[in-house]
Amino acid sequence: KNQVEQSPQSLIILEGKNCTLQCNYTVSPFSNLRWYKQDTGRGPVSLTIMTFSENTKSNGRYTATLDADTKQSSLHITASQLSDSASYICVVSAKNRDDKIIFGKGTRLHILP
Amino acid sequence: NAGVTQTPKFRILKIGQSMTLQCTQDMNHNYMYWYRQDPGMGLKLIYYSVGAGITDKGEVPNGYNVSRSTTEDFPLRLELAAPSQTSVYFCASRIIPGSSYTIYFGEGSWLTVV
Repeated sequence: KNQVEQSPQSLIILEGKNCTLQCNYTVSPFSNLRWYKQDTGRGPVSLTIMTFSENTKSNGRYTATLDADTKQSSLHITASQLSDSASYICVVSAKNRDDKIIFGKGTRLHILP
Repeated sequence: NAGVTQTPKFRILKIGQSMTLQCTQDMNHNYMYWYRQDPGMGLKLIYYSVGAGITDKGEVPNGYNVSRSTTEDFPLRLELAAPSQTSVYFCASRIIPGSSYTIYFGEGSWLTVV
């Protein structure tokens, strides 16, 4: 069964600290993995996209890694800011399947001043 | 570009009423999707379309209908609203597939059925 599991479910850190969010998946055949940021009351916004051959991708203070062998990804946030408070969603797509875009439940990140 | 635009933002329906959630995109994207997001759950695909005149069911299509008469518009219709359809609905779009495409989401429509 195609699944995307994220951990932790929620995370609270102090402003300025770093954190790492995890994503494990069983989607096959694998096409790509994306991380989205979803602010409260808003739609998801793309942070990074990685295909099978890419093992790291950065977008400012956000760095995503992908290990296609172990089917794991992480999103590392450096020097967190209050505006980073949001849900972070891991999304995995299956190859050649227009409808097989599997969303994780997200990690809710709270940044405290 | 306005991106993906959804209306209405909020709506309260009575059980048995019908309504249409509107979605339009101005990026000339072929692929469009409707998702629902329930609290603490991942987005679930309701319907999708790979181009004008073509629609397909997703994971949770029951109780919904869609149409795609133009590339820009992909409305979602609820015929007989039920409390189980209380959710946040997101419309999304993307270009013809390559492996590094981005999916663009609308801002969401909050629907409550009472």
